[in-house]
Amino acid sequence: GEDVEQSLFLSVREGDSSVINCTYTDSSSTYLYWYKQEPGAGLQLLTYIFSNMDMKQDQRLTVLLNKKDKHLSLRIADTQTGDSAIYFCAALRSSASKIIFGSGTRLSIRP
Amino acid sequence: DAGVTQSPTHLIKTRGQQVTLRCSPISGHKSVSWYQQVLGQGPQFIFQYYEKEERGRGNFPDRFSARQFPNYSSELNVNALLLGDSALYLCASSSGTGPNQPQHFGDGTRLSIL
Repeated sequence: GEDVEQSLFLSVREGDSSVINCTYTDSSSTYLYWYKQEPGAGLQLLTYIFSNMDMKQDQRLTVLLNKKDKHLSLRIADTQTGDSAIYFCAALRSSASKIIFGSGTRLSIRP
Repeated sequence: DAGVTQSPTHLIKTRGQQVTLRCSPISGHKSVSWYQQVLGQGPQFIFQYYEKEERGRGNFPDRFSARQFPNYSSELNVNALLLGDSALYLCASSSGTGPNQPQHFGDGTRLSIL
């Protein structure tokens, strides 16, 4: 089957690191994505990683992929109030040319 | 450069009616995908079009249809609307269909069915 799962909520203190976790079931997933959605807006692509990579870093964002466990994480360093949003993990099923999204993790920042 | 634009931004319909949603991709992008996002859930894939041809279809009934025009813009049509069709409809464009050509999303059309 095809399933992408994430925890629903995460609360962190401003300035701390946020780690959002995701698991997926389809081992044929070739690309994995992280999208950010702010209230009333569409999805903004944050970063993506190819399945033969273990890690990708882009400024404050670090993506870790454990292909054996089908586990993906997004770390946001020095979390700011502007990072408050829903974060979606998504996996590309290349055989079907479609992206499967998780239900999203709502990140809230406390002072 | 303009991003993906969708119209209208909001729409209210009643059960049984038909609706057409429109999407203009980023300039130079030839692929358009449609997603349905029900409140509290992640987007669900409906269709992908590339060069005016359907390249992928999700698990949606035949009431849902789409097409892509020569200028790569796209329309999503939904017939015989049901209450459960209430959702945010997102359009995404990419330069091609390859996995290393990420999809960029518009802000969506919020459809409410009464």
